[in-house]
Amino acid sequence: AQSVTQPDIHITVSEGASLELRCNYSYGATPYLFWYVQSPGQGLQLLLKYFSGDTLVQGIKGFEAEFKRSQSSFNLRKPSVHWSDAAEYFCAVGPIQGAQKLVFGQGTRLTINP
Amino acid sequence: NAGVMQNPRHLVRRRGQEARLRCSPMKGHSHVYWYRQLPEEGLKFMVYLQKENIIDESGMPKERFSAEFPKEGPSILRIQQVVRGDSAAYFCASSPALANYNEQFFGPGTRLTVL
Repeated sequence: AQSVTQPDIHITVSEGASLELRCNYSYGATPYLFWYVQSPGQGLQLLLKYFSGDTLVQGIKGFEAEFKRSQSSFNLRKPSVHWSDAAEYFCAVGPIQGAQKLVFGQGTRLTINP
Repeated sequence: NAGVMQNPRHLVRRRGQEARLRCSPMKGHSHVYWYRQLPEEGLKFMVYLQKENIIDESGMPKERFSAEFPKEGPSILRIQQVVRGDSAAYFCASSPALANYNEQFFGPGTRLTVL
């Protein structure tokens, strides 16, 4: 079955430090890949997406992600985090076997130390 | 252009009552998806609807849950005889008519608490 794994449940970094959030997927074909951010009590906002082409994709708020087919990974990065980046981050894949649903990872909670 | 709207934002029900969650998609979007987020978990797909049609309900519990997206008006997710395990955040997303694959835009969610 298709699945998405985010190995890190909770990450703490200092403001200004670099960030990398991991995402691995299990899927037979090349999926469409997404990163969403969820602030406390809010809905999900799309940070970036990968459909095809250049494996390094740029998103909003200074985030980028790199698709590595050989590692089945789509890790999210940011060179310098800001206190406002504290949130929950979700990796997702879709569509699944023609079905238009998204399959989400468990999420990574990011805490920023001042 | 308003985003996806959900109401109510918070809903409290006692065990055995019915919960009705509403979702108005973005203007021009004809596809609606419902997801459930249990505490400390990621979102899980429930159902995918187009106007007057359920396309994929593979994630819906077999009993007590139903969804509709009528020709006019919002999409409704209905939970009958709620139990404590139904307490969760329910998110609606919408997308325009399909062309390969379309990004899903999410609403702010409805947080259901069952007492």
